[in-house]
Amino acid sequence: AQSVTQPDIHITVSEGASLELRCNYSYGATPYLFWYVQSPGQGLQLLLKYFSGDTLVQGIKGFEAEFKRSQSSFNLRKPSVHWSDAAEYFCAVTFGNEKLTFGTGTRLTIIP
Amino acid sequence: NAGVTQTPKFQVLKTGQSMTLQCAQDMNHEYMSWYRQDPGMGLRLIHYSVGAGITDQGEVPNGYNVSRSTTEDFPLRLLSAAPSQTSVYFCASRSGGTSTEAFFGQGTRLTVV
Repeated sequence: AQSVTQPDIHITVSEGASLELRCNYSYGATPYLFWYVQSPGQGLQLLLKYFSGDTLVQGIKGFEAEFKRSQSSFNLRKPSVHWSDAAEYFCAVTFGNEKLTFGTGTRLTIIP
Repeated sequence: NAGVTQTPKFQVLKTGQSMTLQCAQDMNHEYMSWYRQDPGMGLRLIHYSVGAGITDQGEVPNGYNVSRSTTEDFPLRLLSAAPSQTSVYFCASRSGGTSTEAFFGQGTRLTVV
């Protein structure tokens, strides 16, 4: 069955520091990958998505992610975080079917 | 454009009661899904639908029923609420096709006492 692993439950970074959130998937050869962000008490908002083509994708709020097929990974990055980036981040994958599978999430804390 | 609308936002139920969580979308999306979110477990798929009249089970379907009589609506029914169903429930919709993003409602926080 398709699955997504986010190995970091909680990450703390200083404001202005760089960020990388890890995501690994399993199951199929052609993944469609997504990163979503959830602020406290809110629904999920799409940050970026990868379907094909350039393996480095740009998203909203200055985020980017790189798809590495050899590592089955789709890590999210930001060069300089802002206090407003504090939230929970979810990686998700589908393999061309109707099921969208989510990871368990990474909670990001920003310290001044 | 309202997107995906869930009602109610909050609900407290007693064990054994039944209720329906409502979900409506105005984007003419084919796919609709229900997820539950629990701490440390991410979002788990309960039921999904690929079109009116078609539903199927996800990872955690027990204790829940769904139906899809129209494209717009996808209600989730709790038949006999249990404390284990205390969770935050999210409805999502996607247009047909393999590479489309999901749009989420704001969630329903359900507590079963």
